[in-house]
Parts: sequence; structure tokens; C-alpha cells
Amino acid sequence: EAGVAQSPRYKIIEKRQSVAFWCNPISGHATLYWYQQILGQGPKLLIQFQNNGVVDDSQLPKDRFSAERLKGVDSTLKIQPAKLEDSAVYLCASSFPLGPGGVRAFFGQGTRLTVV
Amino acid sequence: GENVEQHPSTLSVQEGDSAVIKCTYSDSASNYFPWYKQELGKRPQLIIDIRSNVGEKKDQRIAVTLNKTAKHFSLHITETQPEDSAVYFCAASKAGTYKYIFGTGTRLKVLA
Repeated sequence: EAGVAQSPRYKIIEKRQSVAFWCNPISGHATLYWYQQILGQGPKLLIQFQNNGVVDDSQLPKDRFSAERLKGVDSTLKIQPAKLEDSAVYLCASSFPLGPGGVRAFFGQGTRLTVV
Repeated sequence: GENVEQHPSTLSVQEGDSAVIKCTYSDSASNYFPWYKQELGKRPQLIIDIRSNVGEKKDQRIAVTLNKTAKHFSLHITETQPEDSAVYFCAASKAGTYKYIFGTGTRLKVLA
């Protein structure tokens, strides 16, 4: 079974540069999430899509972060301009509903971003 | 807003002993509680989950218990092995929003 695909795996950029991450969810999964995981912390939700609509982006720093999910499949997350504190692993996940109770989410390998 | 607290942040046990990690959630409408294991440099992997209509679920050496009244749930690992060493995250989700809120993680070390 194909999993959630992310690229690139690693990225090193200088502060004030821009960067983009790509995610391809599991086929048929309508919900897609982007999480930021800073070293030693739990994943923090940045944005959640349902098909190609945004469900929650309350914790997305919109002055520098943007995300889109055209056609309700692949998604890109962009940071422009990057700051040192953006250094983290960016995880993409997709999920399917479990009938009336909750959703089951699967994660990609993540993109490790280092801002220098 | 929704919040999930997780304790302890680190846990060391001797091989063969049991490990227990606890999480408390704030949103009483949460109805699905998964646990993820994350090894160093790897993606979080779902290891067990429980829905709010049951109180306990077991899968070999791991089990999860849920107390809806107290709004907390726990992961139990018995007969721990060195390969159980990892960071474990709990999460809470509710139907309708499909939002996943994660705990802060527990670093489990199983000492041989």
C-alpha cells in the first residue's frame, strides 16, 4: 500500500530565503494536514484541508507561511521569508474517516528544514 | 481551545517491566484517541487507537484505556523490550472536524 509521500526529505536554506514542500496523500484520503515538529516537541497543526478547502489554519503564521491543495489531492506548503525559528520537521498526514467515530491518520516521512 | 496534556515527558524502565503513559484532553466532544510511536528520524507510526464507545483495547503487549468521565486515556506497554524505546505521542480527535491534536510526547527508554 502506498503511503503519504513528501519531498524533499531535507532542505537547508539561509534566513530570508523561501522554500516549498510537497505532499502527496494516500489515494482517496480527503483530509490532509501539515504539522510542524520542532525537535523534542509534539507535532503542531499548521493547516488542515478537507478536499481542497481549508478547515483550520488558525496556527499558520500567515505573514510568511502559505499552503494550497489544488484539485483536492497534492499539497504544497511554502515559507517566505524563512526565519531561524522555522527550523523543524514538516510532516504531512492524510486521513480517512472511521465511520461515526474519528479519523485514522497516516504520516509522511517529513521534510527536515534547517534555516541558517 | 482544544488541548492534550501528556505525562511523563521521559520514562526509563528496565527491560521486561511495564510502562504507562497518560494523556488528558480538554474537549469532551473528542471521540477518537490514537497513539503514535516515533523512532529517531522517522515518521510517527500509529500503534493503537481507541474510540470513545469502548473503555479498553488490547493488542499483544500494548493496551489503551479510556476514562471519558475524567477525560483521560493511557497507553500500557507490558514486557518492554529495547526496541520499544522511542517517543510516544497521544492524540485526540472528534468526528466532524477531523482535527488531530497531539500531546507533547513521552521519550521512553527501555534499559537492557
